[in-house]
Amino acid sequence: AQKITQTQPGMFVQEKEAVTLDCTYDTSDQSYGLFWYKQPSSGEMIFLIYQGSYDEQNATEGRYSLNFQKARKSANLVISASQLGDSAMYFCAMRYSSASKIIFGSGTRLSIRP
Amino acid sequence: DSGVTQTPKHLITATGQRVTLRCSPRSGDLSVYWYQQSLDQGLQFLIQYYNGEERAKGNILERFSAQQFPDLHSELNLSSLELGDSALYFCASSVTSLDEQFFGPGTRLTVL
Repeated sequence: AQKITQTQPGMFVQEKEAVTLDCTYDTSDQSYGLFWYKQPSSGEMIFLIYQGSYDEQNATEGRYSLNFQKARKSANLVISASQLGDSAMYFCAMRYSSASKIIFGSGTRLSIRP
Repeated sequence: DSGVTQTPKHLITATGQRVTLRCSPRSGDLSVYWYQQSLDQGLQFLIQYYNGEERAKGNILERFSAQQFPDLHSELNLSSLELGDSALYFCASSVTSLDEQFFGPGTRLTVL
């Protein structure tokens, strides 16, 4: 069965430190995509980064990078030089079954300390 | 601002009623997705439309239905509402099913 697991319900990090948010997935599909979204307290869902299963390089978008380890089925989000504005819920998601369905993890609440 | 619009922002109604949520995708996006976010169920995929046709179904109840119109806007209809339907309903859009999805601000539905 397809599954996304985020094992860290909450994390506290000091401002300017790097932080890694864990995400593991399970799928029997060969072709799939992995996404990370940020949900601040205001409620909107903000797309951060995408990694395709056939992409050989780890995706990067500014301060965000995705540590994709296919054999381990993990897709961790790394935020470098964290900022107070990074405090939010972060969701990992997977698209599978020929891009027809998407599932989300339970999320990690990240709090940045000044 | 993602470019996806949803109306209304808030909706308060009573059990047994029917409501319609509306979504306008980003310009150029053909795919529209609906999600339900509740405290106990997390973020659940409901349904996807691509260029007017239903493409995929997730955990959508039979009391719920959706459609995508020729101008690509979409509506999600929720009927015979129950207390447990109270949630944040998101619409998202993408160019194709393979691209990243951009979410609207959501409609917060409260069923009393």
